[in-house]
Amino acid sequence: GQNIDQPTEMTATEGAIVQINCTYQTSGFNGLFWYQQHAGEAPTFLSYNVLDGLEEKGRFSSFLSRSKGYSYLLLKELQMKDSASYLCAVREAGGSYIPTFGRGTSLIVHP
Amino acid sequence: GAGVSQSPRYKVAKRGQDVALRCDPISGHVSLFWYQQALGQGPEFLTYFQNEAQLDKSGLPSDRFFAERPEGSVSTLKIQRTQQEDSAVYLCASSLASQGQPNYGYTFGSGTRLTVV
Repeated sequence: GQNIDQPTEMTATEGAIVQINCTYQTSGFNGLFWYQQHAGEAPTFLSYNVLDGLEEKGRFSSFLSRSKGYSYLLLKELQMKDSASYLCAVREAGGSYIPTFGRGTSLIVHP
Repeated sequence: GAGVSQSPRYKVAKRGQDVALRCDPISGHVSLFWYQQALGQGPEFLTYFQNEAQLDKSGLPSDRFFAERPEGSVSTLKIQRTQQEDSAVYLCASSLASQGQPNYGYTFGSGTRLTVV
């Protein structure tokens, strides 16, 4: 099984940078995903990490350290529309490659 | 279609009623997943299909929950004798990947919000 931990809620100011952390424990790692979910909407794919290091995609970057069981999502130049829940999901090796989600971090961006 | 389509968008059921939730995945997507998402929580895995085969149903909370995908495309999640604790958003996701091809993402539908009264 897996244990995924991320903060419940974070607040930040428009234009600032915020880092959302995710720690996980798994018996066999096969990739970590970040999804964004606005209230009442479908989760949408942000990033995928399977190797250690930083993946940058526009204002969003995601980092992975497999040895530490740790990832973070970095959001730069925050905009009001970035207010949403950010879900960390880990996929375990073997079996059906089914991603397990954390409870999500609710990010509130204020002016 | 262009995305994953779920219907109905909202469903109110009386306790004890049976419900059926539909998922239309992206055309050609091999894998299909059902998740249950309670308010303020992350999605919890229910069941997984590869084409028409249900390969994992370990997340189904009780034998009142049943899912099928008879022709490998549209899937239906059925809940019998609904209980108040079944109230949640039911999300469907599809992926081009099958087992052994893990490097694809998952596209989610907007979900069905089920309220049992």
